[in-house]
Amino acid sequence: GENVEQHPSTLSVQEGDSAVIKCTYSDSASNYFPWYKQELGKRPQLIIDIRSNVGEKKDQRIAVTLNKTAKHFSLHITETQPEDSAVYFCAASIPQAGTALIFGKGTTLSVSS
Amino acid sequence: GAVVSQHPSRVICKSGTSVKIECRSLDFQATTMFWYRQFPKQSLMLMATSNEGSKATYEQGVEKDKFLINHASLTLSTLTVTSAHPEDSSFYICSAMPGTGHNSPLHFGNGTRLTVT
Repeated sequence: GENVEQHPSTLSVQEGDSAVIKCTYSDSASNYFPWYKQELGKRPQLIIDIRSNVGEKKDQRIAVTLNKTAKHFSLHITETQPEDSAVYFCAASIPQAGTALIFGKGTTLSVSS
Repeated sequence: GAVVSQHPSRVICKSGTSVKIECRSLDFQATTMFWYRQFPKQSLMLMATSNEGSKATYEQGVEKDKFLINHASLTLSTLTVTSAHPEDSSFYICSAMPGTGHNSPLHFGNGTRLTVT
């Protein structure tokens, strides 16, 4: 089955700096890679996703890149703000096959002002 | 947008009792729903895949007789924690995918925090 590795487990940055979180996956059939932001005690919220037919996707300060050959994808947050502080999870799945999302272990991002 | 409702949000029960958690897709039909468990400061671990009209598929290490899943309709899946013990205390969260899932992201319920005393 799918295995998703995520690094780093914790990340501390200054406000305005960029933050990068990296994930690798094991199943080459996976073709859907979302990123979720989870605040304490709340459900994960989808912030951006990418499918295997594209290499990069951007939404304002957030971008995701995908390298299918190397089986890794990354989340990039630019101009970080204190409200970006949360736990971020990457995940992988094969929606067409009805497979569940398999999550990475999460990255706790702390943005200090 | 697609909404997944989960109930209850919090439940405290005594050891040995059973607890039922409901997951409903409010504005779409979901042939497949997924149940996850999350311990404090840890990731979401897939427990089982709930399929409407058929038996759930459990992940390795998850006791199917302890965590009973029923997906009786296209909008409702239930997870029953039977004979609960303190180690079952956790955050349980369901998710569902609208349509066939080809271009639909997964939507999560708000989760249920179970405390077994």
